[in-house]
Amino acid sequence: EDQVTQSPEALRLQEGESSSLNCSYTVSGLRGLFWYRQDPGKGPEFLFTLYSAGEEKEKERLKATLTKKESFLHITAPKPEDSATYLCALSYSGAGSYQLTFGKGTKLSVIP
Amino acid sequence: SAVISQKPSRDICQRGTSLTIQCQVDSQVTMMFWYRQQPGQSLTLIATANQGSEATYESGFVIDKFPISRPNLTFSTLTVSNMSPEDSSIYLCSVAPPAGGAGGTQYFGPGTRLLVL
Repeated sequence: EDQVTQSPEALRLQEGESSSLNCSYTVSGLRGLFWYRQDPGKGPEFLFTLYSAGEEKEKERLKATLTKKESFLHITAPKPEDSATYLCALSYSGAGSYQLTFGKGTKLSVIP
Repeated sequence: SAVISQKPSRDICQRGTSLTIQCQVDSQVTMMFWYRQQPGQSLTLIATANQGSEATYESGFVIDKFPISRPNLTFSTLTVSNMSPEDSSIYLCSVAPPAGGAGGTQYFGPGTRLLVL
């Protein structure tokens, strides 16, 4: 069973059409949940870190939220430049101190 | 956040050969990490490289196949040895800033795209 599951695998939106990406996890002892953006041919770019249920972080058109078993990345009025793969990762007490466990990502395409 | 560079950015290699990937950071960091990203798969941690100590390898990865050096607080290398086509992947280094601690944010380099023929 995957410890981190991202859905959907791919999402196609019209420009301006808001939506949410999901990251659900089965581990216990969460230390932190991380969202990254990865453009083709590049390394992951850090977006947000969330540490406890109820926490929210915002940056431009993106808002990340965290509950006890999942996180959402909300995208408001997306633009074509938001097209990328969005990765979710966890740090938790059952793994190495600095180990990040990644989901497979959601590939977002925003159509003009 | 730290600025991280990797060399080479991409390479095509023949099976049975070895490739050494370099990772350079613009500030001193204790914790550096090497990840592999295979097509359609999640990023997977290969090993943790601390300056002044042996690298710590994750399950499924061994030092003979992926030797790592960490000569100082701004530089590390990962060698992919005796390569096979299954080693074709993106290899990424990352760093954890000192203030982050366990569970802290990691920042990634641009990656090295390796194709083994």
